[in-house]
Amino acid sequence: AQSVTQLDSQVPVFEEAPVELRCNYSSSVSVYLFWYVQYPNQGLQLLLKYLSGSTLVKGINGFEAEFNKSQTSFHLRKPSVHISDTAEYFCAVSDEGGSEKLVFGKGTKLTVNP
Amino acid sequence: NAGVTQTPKFRILKIGQSMTLQCTQDMNHNYMYWYRQDPGMGLKLIYYSVGAGITDKGEVPNGYNVSRSTTEDFPLRLELAAPSQTSVYFCASRSGQGVMNTEAFFGQGTRLTVV
Repeated sequence: AQSVTQLDSQVPVFEEAPVELRCNYSSSVSVYLFWYVQYPNQGLQLLLKYLSGSTLVKGINGFEAEFNKSQTSFHLRKPSVHISDTAEYFCAVSDEGGSEKLVFGKGTKLTVNP
Repeated sequence: NAGVTQTPKFRILKIGQSMTLQCTQDMNHNYMYWYRQDPGMGLKLIYYSVGAGITDKGEVPNGYNVSRSTTEDFPLRLELAAPSQTSVYFCASRSGQGVMNTEAFFGQGTRLTVV
């Protein structure tokens, strides 16, 4: 069974600073990986996904993530954050075989301060 | 373009009462899910379905029931509400067909309080 560990529950940063949100996963099979964002009082929406191919994937709002198979990681990065990036971010995994299960991490709350 | 629609948005229940959380999707997706979200705990899978007539338990199914009589609808039933079921509930759907159709779409959530 897959599992996801998000290493930081809260990350405070100043506006225009870079940020990295860490995600590690465990699985006995090849996986698909996702990052979702949740703004206050809303549902989750997809930021980006890794299915195969290039290990660096780009998503919406200037975010990108790098898949590292040897370290079983999928860290999310943004070179310069804005106040509007304040939200909760979730890493998720499903197995490449098309398993119906989508497993989420506990989330990282990103707070961007002026 | 409705996507995934959940009703109600908010509900307060008394201990022991029952209710059904409704979820409908208009994208003809095969896979549907119910998650609960508690502060600092992420999303926990309650039940899921891979198609009409097929459901299965997730991580935290106790105290809940589901049915999937149509592709569009996936209601979640609480029979005897308990304070431990106070949470935000999210319904989601995925196509289940093809490598590129792996994104899950979420509803806006139902905030349930059991008192």
